[in-house]
Amino acid sequence: AQSVTQLGSHVSVSEGALVLLRCNYSSSVPPYLFWYVQYPNQGLQLLLKYTTGATLVKGINGFEAEFKKSETSFHLTKPSAHMSDAAEYFCAVSPDNNNDMRFGAGTRLTVKP
Amino acid sequence: DTGVSQNPRHKITKRGQNVTFRCDPISEHNRLYWYRQTLGQGPEFLTYFQNEAQLEKSRLLSDRFSAERPKGSFSTLEIQRTEQGDSAMYLCASGQGSGTDTQYFGPGTRLTVL
Repeated sequence: AQSVTQLGSHVSVSEGALVLLRCNYSSSVPPYLFWYVQYPNQGLQLLLKYTTGATLVKGINGFEAEFKKSETSFHLTKPSAHMSDAAEYFCAVSPDNNNDMRFGAGTRLTVKP
Repeated sequence: DTGVSQNPRHKITKRGQNVTFRCDPISEHNRLYWYRQTLGQGPEFLTYFQNEAQLEKSRLLSDRFSAERPKGSFSTLEIQRTEQGDSAMYLCASGQGSGTDTQYFGPGTRLTVL
């Protein structure tokens, strides 16, 4: 069975500061890991995903995440926050068939001017 | 590519009524997924179609819920005898190809049961 824990339901950063959103997973099989972003009144949009290979994954809008098997983590980072990054972020894990994706509870990112 | 669309975007109904939602996936996507999202939570998987075949259903999908994808294109999700606990955002996603493909989400249908 797979599950995801996102540490911190709310994160607030200043514009230009580092963004770090934490995600830890549990999986009985090698996981596929995802980060999605949800803007108000919009659907979820894929930021990045890890399947196999390089453990540092680069996504859209300057975000990246690193798969650390020893720590069962897949934290999302961005060097410099922008006001437009304010949204809800979801980490998700699935087994290799991608048919039962399990999402975390989400982290709401606020960016202060 | 017009994206995944869902209709209606909002639905308010009284307890005990039946409701039906529609999802139009991205054309040529053979996989279609339904999720439910309650306030403050991430989406929860409900069911999944490969073309017209419903291949997996979550235990969250009680007997009151039924989903169809009759021609392998659009899908409908029906909830019978709605309960207040059914109030949630219902999300649809579609994807193409094998298991690691990206799921593209629609904007959702927000259901409020009074």
